[in-house]
Amino acid sequence: GEDVEQSLFLSVREGDSSVINCTYTDSSSTYLYWYKQEPGAGLQLLTYIFSNMDMKQDQRLTVLLNKKDKHLSLRIADTQTGDSAIYFCAVLFGNEKLTFGTGTRLTIIP
Amino acid sequence: GAVVSQHPSRVICKSGTSVKIECRSLDFQATTMFWYRQFPKQSLMLMATSNEGSKATYEQGVEKDKFLINHASLTLSTLTVTSAHPEDSSFYICSVGAGNSNQPQHFGDGTRLSIL
Repeated sequence: GEDVEQSLFLSVREGDSSVINCTYTDSSSTYLYWYKQEPGAGLQLLTYIFSNMDMKQDQRLTVLLNKKDKHLSLRIADTQTGDSAIYFCAVLFGNEKLTFGTGTRLTIIP
Repeated sequence: GAVVSQHPSRVICKSGTSVKIECRSLDFQATTMFWYRQFPKQSLMLMATSNEGSKATYEQGVEKDKFLINHASLTLSTLTVTSAHPEDSSFYICSVGAGNSNQPQHFGDGTRLSIL
């Protein structure tokens, strides 16, 4: 079945880079997404990557995909206090259902 | 600007009350909308897929008579939690797909439902 996993917590000093990791178990993935959720709010789409891509960069965000290892990562450069949130990776599998990871809570240390 | 509008943002009501949550697609006509449920400190779980003009498709374990979904137009889907009880308290979030399953889903701001 489809399973998507993330580390629950990540703490990073302000100005450093944050790397949030995600692994998934099914090889029929098509699109992979990163969403940001701030307290009490819905999900904000940050970026997404098609499964035949290895990397995608958008300003401070860099997504890396290792399809062989079923590993997805999101790198946030120059992390700021406003980046504090929960980050969810989500994978669109062949059954066209979006499966979410457990979410990683990113805490910024001043 | 917002792509999806969800109302209300918060509901507090007594046990036994039925609660309706609206999800509107602002930027495009959505034949498909999705309803998710999120318990505290947990991930999102898909409850059902709302299909315009036809019956919703419910995920395993979700009671269709408890969570009524209506998708009467291309811009509006509603979720009604019937005879809500404290165990129904949760964060409910809708999302809209662009009709092409490869396009990302855009999410509403969610509705926090608290049943006393």
